[in-house]
Amino acid sequence: AQSVAQPEDQVNVAEGNPLTVKCTYSVSGNPYLFWYVQYPNRGLQFLLKYITGDNLVKGSYGFEAEFNKSQTSFHLKKPSALVSDSALYFCAVRDIYGNNRLAFGKGNQVVVIP
Amino acid sequence: DGGITQSPKYLFRKEGQNVTLSCEQNLNHDAMYWYRQDPGQGLRLIYYSQIVNDFQKGDIAEGYSVSREKKESFPLTVTSAQKNPTAFYLCASSQTRTGPDDMNTEAFFGQGTRLTVV
Repeated sequence: AQSVAQPEDQVNVAEGNPLTVKCTYSVSGNPYLFWYVQYPNRGLQFLLKYITGDNLVKGSYGFEAEFNKSQTSFHLKKPSALVSDSALYFCAVRDIYGNNRLAFGKGNQVVVIP
Repeated sequence: DGGITQSPKYLFRKEGQNVTLSCEQNLNHDAMYWYRQDPGQGLRLIYYSQIVNDFQKGDIAEGYSVSREKKESFPLTVTSAQKNPTAFYLCASSQTRTGPDDMNTEAFFGQGTRLTVV
C-alpha cells in the first residue's frame, strides 16, 4: 500500500526566507504526487502535482516542488515566505495503476514569523 | 458553480446515536473519498469509492458505513459502534485515470463537517 512521510511536525521560517517542507513517499507503481494546504476549519486546497515530465513543478501562490525518484521525495519549496503562508501543508500520493487510493501524510504546520 | 459540498458544517451526536454526513459533487468525478482528521494525525482514509455501487474500506473503517447509489453522492454514516467519533470529517472527489495523458487527477475537497459527541 502507498504511504507518505512528512518528518517534521512544524516548520518555522522568517518572512522573506526560503521555505521547504519535506515529503517522502512509498508506492508500488508510478506515483502521482500532490501538495495541499489547509487553513483552520477548512477543507484542503490543491497547490500542485507531479504526474510525469519535468521533475520541477510549479503551482499556486509561488510554490514549487521537486520530484526525486531515486530518493522517493517530493519536497515543497517557496523562495520567499509570506506571513500568509502560515498554514497546514499535506503531501499525498496516488497509485493510479493500483487501487487508486489517495494517501496523505500527517501534515506539517508552517509558521512564518514576521 | 462546480464543486463538492458537505453538510452540515457542524453536527452533534448523542451517545449511541447514528448520524449521517452528506457529501455531494457536481464535478462528474468517478472517485470519492472520506477522511477523518484529528490533531497531529493528519488525514486517515475511512472509505473510498471508484465507481457507483462499489466502495472499499480504508485504514479506519470500523464503526463507519457508506453507500454509493449515485455518482454524485457518497454519504457517510457514523454508527454507535464508533467509540470516539469526535473529529473533523473531509470528503473528496477526483477523476480516475482515463488515459496516459490524463492530467486531471487532483482531488477536490469539501469544507468539512465537524462532529462532536455530547
